[in-house]
Amino acid sequence: GENVEQHPSTLSVQEGDSAVIKCTYSDSASNYFPWYKQELGKRPQLIIDIRSNVGEKKDQRIAVTLNKTAKHFSLHITETQPEDSAVYFCAAKETDKLIFGTGTRLQVFP
Amino acid sequence: DADVTQTPRNRITKTGKRIMLECSQTKGHDRMYWYRQDPGLGLRLIYYSFDVKDINKGEISDGYSVSRQAQAKFSLSLESAIPNQTALYFCATSGTGLVAFFGQGTRLTVV
Repeated sequence: GENVEQHPSTLSVQEGDSAVIKCTYSDSASNYFPWYKQELGKRPQLIIDIRSNVGEKKDQRIAVTLNKTAKHFSLHITETQPEDSAVYFCAAKETDKLIFGTGTRLQVFP
Repeated sequence: DADVTQTPRNRITKTGKRIMLECSQTKGHDRMYWYRQDPGLGLRLIYYSFDVKDINKGEISDGYSVSRQAQAKFSLSLESAIPNQTALYFCATSGTGLVAFFGQGTRLTVV
C-alpha cells in the first residue's frame, strides 16, 4: 500500500521568512496530493491540493510542487505570519482513500 | 451550514468498556472515514465506507468496528477499550473529488 513520509517533524521560522515542508510517496499510481492545516484544537482543513497532471500550483502565499519521477511533493509558504503556526499534513491518494504523512509542526516567531 | 458532526467531543472510559463514537454529516457525501490522530504518527485510517453496504478496513482496524447506519451516519465502536486506544479520533467525509472534510474530533481517554 501507499506510504507517505513527511519532513521535518518540526519547523521554526521567523516571521517573514519562507517555510518548506517535504513529502515522499511510494505508490506511483497516486495522482492526488492535498495539504491540510490543523490549528491548535481544531480540525484539519484543506489548504491546497495538486493533481498529477501539473507540476506546481499557487494560491497567494502558499504553493505546492510535485515531482512525479522522484515521487515527492512539497509545500512552500512565503512571507510567513504568526497565524501560519499550525500542524501541516500532506497526503496521497491510494485508490479512493487518503494516506496521510506524520505531520509538521510549524512555529512562526514574530 | 453543511457540516460533519462528531459526538461526544470528549470521553473518558475505563479499560474493558465498550464505547461508541458517532458521526453524522449534512454534506450529502457518500464516502465516510474514521481516522485516529496520535502525536508524531499523523492521521491513520481505521475504517472507511463508500455507501451503506460498503465497509473497508484501513491501516489500523484491529480492536475497532464500524457501522454505516445511513448515508449520513457512520459510527466507530471500541468493543473492549484499552489504554493504547487513547487518542484523538476524527470522522471525515468526501465526495468523488476526494477532498476530505473533517469533524471536530473526539478526544478519547481510556484509563
